[in-house]
Amino acid sequence: KAGVTQTPRYLIKTRGQQVTLSCSPISGHRSVSWYQQTPGQGLQFLFEYFSETQRNKGNFPGRFSGRQFSNSRSEMNVSTLELGDSALYLCASSFDSDRTDTQYFGPGTRLTVL
Amino acid sequence: AQSVTQLDSHVSVSEGTPVLLRCNYSSSYSPSLFWYVQHPNKGLQLLLKYTSAATLVKGINGFEAEFKKSETSFHLTKPSAHMSDAAEYFCVVSPGGSYIPTFGRGTSLIVHP
Repeated sequence: KAGVTQTPRYLIKTRGQQVTLSCSPISGHRSVSWYQQTPGQGLQFLFEYFSETQRNKGNFPGRFSGRQFSNSRSEMNVSTLELGDSALYLCASSFDSDRTDTQYFGPGTRLTVL
Repeated sequence: AQSVTQLDSHVSVSEGTPVLLRCNYSSSYSPSLFWYVQHPNKGLQLLLKYTSAATLVKGINGFEAEFKKSETSFHLTKPSAHMSDAAEYFCVVSPGGSYIPTFGRGTSLIVHP
């Protein structure tokens, strides 16, 4: 079974631009979560989508948004990029969104904002 | 509200010696607890999880963890460290209800030959 894939793996943008990251979950998984990982803040939950609906949202500004398609693939968008948005963005999928479900993580997208 | 505290930011061991990575949690609900490992430039991989079944949980690569409710702890252990165990380890608590997991800040495991 193929794992979680994220594209692109690396991205360089400048302040003020916007960016879209893509995540393809494991086949059959309906829940997709996004996380931001930085040396200063660690791993922080961004949001979770389940069956095309945002079910949970972390404490991030509205510049961070996402969506999920009918095939469970998900995209995350960051508008008006700031230097502090430089991070590793991780996507994780699980079959359901029950607290006991195992999340399977992708390799991440490394975003650098100049 | 829930929180996770990984008590050591770095743990250094010699190859072949035991590993202990400490994690304390707080949760308003009966939680599920996870340990993940992250090797450099890679995503996170599940080592093991506790979901209210047996309190001693065995995971991959010889790791295990014991859920102790009275101590609100979920420490990760391995009898004998291997060089390939060098990585970042994350303890995660996921409460009942909505699925918003909380990650610890991570423990960097260093293994000396």
